[in-house]
Amino acid sequence: AQSVAQPEDQVNVAEGNPLTVKCTYSVSGNPYLFWYVQYPNRGLQFLLKYITGDNLVKGSYGFEAEFNKSQTSFHLKKPSALVSDSALYFCAVRDISRGDYKLSFGAGTTVTVRA
Amino acid sequence: EPEVTQTPSHQVTQMGQEVILRCVPISNHLYFYWYRQILGQKVEFLVSFYNNEISEKSEIFDDQFSVERPDGSNFTLKIRSTKLEDSAMYFCASSEALRGAETQYFGPGTRLLVL
Repeated sequence: AQSVAQPEDQVNVAEGNPLTVKCTYSVSGNPYLFWYVQYPNRGLQFLLKYITGDNLVKGSYGFEAEFNKSQTSFHLKKPSALVSDSALYFCAVRDISRGDYKLSFGAGTTVTVRA
Repeated sequence: EPEVTQTPSHQVTQMGQEVILRCVPISNHLYFYWYRQILGQKVEFLVSFYNNEISEKSEIFDDQFSVERPDGSNFTLKIRSTKLEDSAMYFCASSEALRGAETQYFGPGTRLLVL
């Protein structure tokens, strides 16, 4: 079965510092990996995805993520965090080798960026 | 930018009552999904829908749930006889296609509270 793990419930960083949100995945085939962000009282907003090709994926709002097959990881990064980046971040995976297309989400990581 | 919309934003109902949650997917999208998030838990897949048929459903999606596309714009989730454990945030999503690489775009959610 496909699954993702987000090992940190919370990440706290100071504004201007680098931000990393960790995600590891487990699939039987090739993974398609996604990051979403949820602001208070808002839906899930798509940030970026990895399908194939370059292991470094760039997305919205200055975020990027690095796919590492050997470590089965897809960590989200931002070089310089903003207070406005404070939100709940979800990693998700899809393994289409199983013939299904649902997203399996991690438990989420709450990011707090302090001024 | 086109968005998925959902109504109502909040719904309170009595146990045993029927509820219908409504969604308007992005207009050129063909694939529709419902997910739910029980407070403090992961976002969970419920069902996917294409060409007026369910294409995939989870074990959560039992006989008390149904989905429908009653017209060219709306996509609904009906819960026939609500239970306390149905209290959750329900997210609608849509994608342009069903290929594994397609991004699912989520609505803001409907918070359902069953009393």
